[in-house]
Amino acid sequence: DVKVTQSSRYLVKRTGEKVFLECVQDMDHENMFWYRQDPGLGLRLIYFSYDVKMKEKGDIPEGYSVSREKKERFSLILESASTNQTSMYLCASSPGEGSRVEAFFGQGTRLTVV
Amino acid sequence: AQKITQTQPGMFVQEKEAVTLDCTYDTSDPSYGLFWYKQPSSGEMIFLIYQGSYDQQNATEGRYSLNFQKARKSANLVISASQLGDSAMYFCAMRDDYKLSFGAGTTVTVRA
Repeated sequence: DVKVTQSSRYLVKRTGEKVFLECVQDMDHENMFWYRQDPGLGLRLIYFSYDVKMKEKGDIPEGYSVSREKKERFSLILESASTNQTSMYLCASSPGEGSRVEAFFGQGTRLTVV
Repeated sequence: AQKITQTQPGMFVQEKEAVTLDCTYDTSDPSYGLFWYKQPSSGEMIFLIYQGSYDQQNATEGRYSLNFQKARKSANLVISASQLGDSAMYFCAMRDDYKLSFGAGTTVTVRA
């Protein structure tokens, strides 16, 4: 059974803290993605990676960075958490370009910054 | 720039009736894929159906079908014979050039 696992289901952090959200996939997928989901805005792409050590900015990268040192792991970093980063964060993975296979999602991390 | 547009924030449908969810997209890449996902209140993302840009026929998966109009850049989802369990948020997505982008979603509520 394919799996994308996010390290935490719920997180509460203080303003200014450095926050790490971890995502691991066991499907040997090339592509991995980080989204945030907010009511009325859908899923907005923060960063994605199509290979180890490769990363590309999505539509809302400000305030975030990512790391992909190994193929199976994609980390999202909030350098200095702010209250406007309170959101649901979803990680996904998918096979490489041209594949007809869908992306698989983790269970989500609900982050609250206080 | 928004690449996926879902213009219906919410819809009500009677049980056993069909419902069409609109989705338009924008890309200059001739090769792309279109997806629909369902997100029930539990929060999990459930893949429903896929359409490739070079596919000649509209995709179908059980009660789900995709009305693909390439020239209009439209990929509407049709759910036939709605069931109470279809009540959820539905997202249209497009994959082009490695990137996977989603629309804002449509909430569907099925009434008994």
